[in-house]
Amino acid sequence: NAGVTQTPKFQVLKTGQSMTLQCAQDMNHNSMYWYRQDPGMGLRLIYYSASEGTTDKGEVPNGYNVSRLNKREFSLRLESAAPSQTSVYFCASINAYEQYFGPGTRLTVT
Amino acid sequence: RKEVEQDPGPFNVPEGATVAFNCTYSNSASQSFFWYRQDCRKEPKLLMSVYSSGNEDGRFTAQLNRASQYISLLIRDSKLSDSATYLCVVASNTGKLIFGQGTTLQVKP
Repeated sequence: NAGVTQTPKFQVLKTGQSMTLQCAQDMNHNSMYWYRQDPGMGLRLIYYSASEGTTDKGEVPNGYNVSRLNKREFSLRLESAAPSQTSVYFCASINAYEQYFGPGTRLTVT
Repeated sequence: RKEVEQDPGPFNVPEGATVAFNCTYSNSASQSFFWYRQDCRKEPKLLMSVYSSGNEDGRFTAQLNRASQYISLLIRDSKLSDSATYLCVVASNTGKLIFGQGTTLQVKP
């Protein structure tokens, strides 16, 4: 039982490049979330998916898209990366109110 | 004003000390409250839920004051291993979790 996994762990992009962050959970949870964490800002919700086939915007969705591929997988795509998207990205799945987080992806955009 | 506010610290305390963190929230309709712990460069993990009557888990005590809209976390007999960032989390009436920016605790020998 791996919990929540994320790939890659680290990534450096140039401005304008695109990439997809992958997230998978094996706990059979319905809801999955993408957050970004920046110094002094705490965790901010980018997008979430309450169930397979549905996605909704969170607090800071601009510049991102998501896909809930199936119950297990929820991916986050940056179509044209910007330096302001340099951050640590966490994926999480939820059971009742307990969120289980993946280990994070550290993304730097130069 | 942020929905959930915490003093970022850092709180520097000696081993064995008692330390308390507060957190305020702005949405009076908030339903549920939690403390998460985050170690440096790691993901957050649930430390404990916060119940209206207050609750204790070993050296940790959490309390909720709905009238004043704040929650607190008390750590007794601090250990070196308690050094971490403590995140206050509030579940809104829509079910979304709102995170505070965290309070950093450093326990010194």
